[in-house]
Amino acid sequence: DTGVSQDPRHKITKRGQNVTFRCDPISEHNRLYWYRQTLGQGPEFLTYFQNEAQLEKSRLLSDRFSAERPKGSFSTLEIQRTEQGDSAMYLCASSLQQGRHYGYTFGSGTRLTVV
Amino acid sequence: KQEVTQIPAALSVPEGENLVLNCSFTDSAIYNLQWFRQDPGKGLTSLLLIQSSQREQTSGRLNASLDKSSGRSTLYIAASQPGDSATYLCAVRQAAGNKLTFGGGTRVLVKP
Repeated sequence: DTGVSQDPRHKITKRGQNVTFRCDPISEHNRLYWYRQTLGQGPEFLTYFQNEAQLEKSRLLSDRFSAERPKGSFSTLEIQRTEQGDSAMYLCASSLQQGRHYGYTFGSGTRLTVV
Repeated sequence: KQEVTQIPAALSVPEGENLVLNCSFTDSAIYNLQWFRQDPGKGLTSLLLIQSSQREQTSGRLNASLDKSSGRSTLYIAASQPGDSATYLCAVRQAAGNKLTFGGGTRVLVKP
């Protein structure tokens, strides 16, 4: 297992189109997170899953955003009717929580540009 | 609501100088604190994780301290190298909750 994988690395889309990103976490990690990072800022939390259950969603996650983690393995983040303000780096992270927490491992991100 | 601040926002030093990066947070009820490195256009690489019960962590030339009561952490990088040029982010996880709150980062340039 080489870490957290995200696909695609880059996505350019026209305003109004739908996009879907995929994240494959470290296999033994039970938690998966999505963050969004705009230029010059730190990442902001979007949502997280424990196994297949989505346990928390940020107010940043409008109704155009939906995330799934079927079977508690990979996750997808879909953005419907994209807007220029959605342009950002979308980062996925995973972690293991068993009694104690062992820190977060991030993927390389998907850079979305909405034109 | 937790707020994390990193000062300075940018730092430029000559090669060989020691780096001192600061992180402050407003709510001391944290579970742990993690330092990350981010190269331009890339994801985050974890550098050090400090649990709330710990005072410091070391890895090679890196040392991070944590003073939970005063809401501060410092990342020291000894004998800086041009390859250390990157943005350094600190992030805290609350004792109650599961998400990370990030600072805005310190952009470091080490000049050869």
